[in-house]
Amino acid sequence: QVQLQESGPGLVKPSGTLSLTCAVSGGSISSSNWWSWIRQPPGKGLEWIGEIYHSGSTNYNPSLKSRVTISVDKSKNQFSLKLSSVTAADTAVYYCARNRKGVVDDIWGQGTMVTVSS
Amino acid sequence: DIQMTQSPSSLSASVGDRVTITCQASQDISNYLNWYQQKPGKAPKLLIYDASNLETGVPSRFSGSGSGTDFTFTISSLQPEDIATYYCQQYDNLPRTFGQGTKVEIK
Repeated sequence: QVQLQESGPGLVKPSGTLSLTCAVSGGSISSSNWWSWIRQPPGKGLEWIGEIYHSGSTNYNPSLKSRVTISVDKSKNQFSLKLSSVTAADTAVYYCARNRKGVVDDIWGQGTMVTVSS
Repeated sequence: DIQMTQSPSSLSASVGDRVTITCQASQDISNYLNWYQQKPGKAPKLLIYDASNLETGVPSRFSGSGSGTDFTFTISSLQPEDIATYYCQQYDNLPRTFGQGTKVEIK
């Protein structure tokens, strides 16, 4: 079955760039699904960041669009998130997820905690 | 953005009780609504999609209904393992947005 695993630095300095990768196993990233990033600040709710299709098409949350880049690497069966100019407000658990047919985030990674601090 | 409002924000019920959570959208989203369960320290888990369809492998005590702007999520008989926070999510428009969550506890 498809599994997702996030990886990347757990600590990022303010004004720096947060970079995470999501490795997809048990299935192809080139399937008919979108691939999402979602985050959750400590003790708070869920926020959709954006998504990518294997063709490279992307959709971003307008609230983050100026700072977000999501990319795909089909050769490595993975996709990535970059969030620039980070502040403490970007401290959160970051999840990657498979978005089934553009409808539902049905498979999630375990999440990775990223703290923005000097 | 479409705003999703869940109520209550938390509830306490006894094992075996029927539990109901509501989710209201700020505009008509047809049946483009999902429900997730999140246990502490874990990723959300999909329970219901398209407002009323039970995801494969999810116990039948979970159900969903509604369309338009008003939706309901029900646990027919609360079990100890159902202790979690539940979120609704709309996918009618981007950005996909979530409700603020409902924390379910055992009385």
